[in-house]
Amino acid sequence: DAKTTQPPSMDCAEGRAANLPCNHSTISGNEYVYWYRQIHSQGPQYIIHGLKNNETNEMASLIITEDRKSSTLILPHATLRDTAVYYCIVRVPGGATNKLIFGTGTLLAVQP
Amino acid sequence: SAVISQKPSRDICQRGTSLTIQCQVDSQVTMMFWYRQQPGQSLTLIATANQGSEATYESGFVIDKFPISRPNLTFSTLTVSNMSPEDSSIYLCSVEGGAGFYEQYFGPGTRLTVT
Repeated sequence: DAKTTQPPSMDCAEGRAANLPCNHSTISGNEYVYWYRQIHSQGPQYIIHGLKNNETNEMASLIITEDRKSSTLILPHATLRDTAVYYCIVRVPGGATNKLIFGTGTLLAVQP
Repeated sequence: SAVISQKPSRDICQRGTSLTIQCQVDSQVTMMFWYRQQPGQSLTLIATANQGSEATYESGFVIDKFPISRPNLTFSTLTVSNMSPEDSSIYLCSVEGGAGFYEQYFGPGTRLTVT
């Protein structure tokens, strides 16, 4: 079973920041938080990951709370092309059980 | 990043038949993963395929229904056997990669419709 909880859907105005929350209250010390997204009819796309520090790359920022029980993915300036299902996943990278368990995700609809 | 291709991209098959889906990666990878995405649903892991060993199946998936081959480090196949309409799904392969193997890359998927 997925170890994360996300809202089923969110709306965001084009050009505004999209803040997608994720709860992972049972995360263990060696598990990372990953975010992927799936644009309609495509394979999932890696966005970002982090352990406990906030992370930023060219696509997004990841804010992880100090207790690591929740996180927020931030798309700073959402565009229509960011409309997708966003998945928050916790996992231990590498090793024999290196697999992604997808939950139901959040459908982000960016409105013009 | 790894570039993954899948064949066929889509197919319509009759019940009772089998379809083999191919997954080709542009670099050598140790682990490959096969997922199923039923209509309107999230992705479900079918199995993990390591080169040179038997695939490891997740609960609810069996080798007789979804046999997997992994002949080398850049290629894998998934067969959907004795198909029924319930097998209509998108089937995706993925590989791990990136520095430290922190990322997984996905193929474009194979859209299967069983009539």
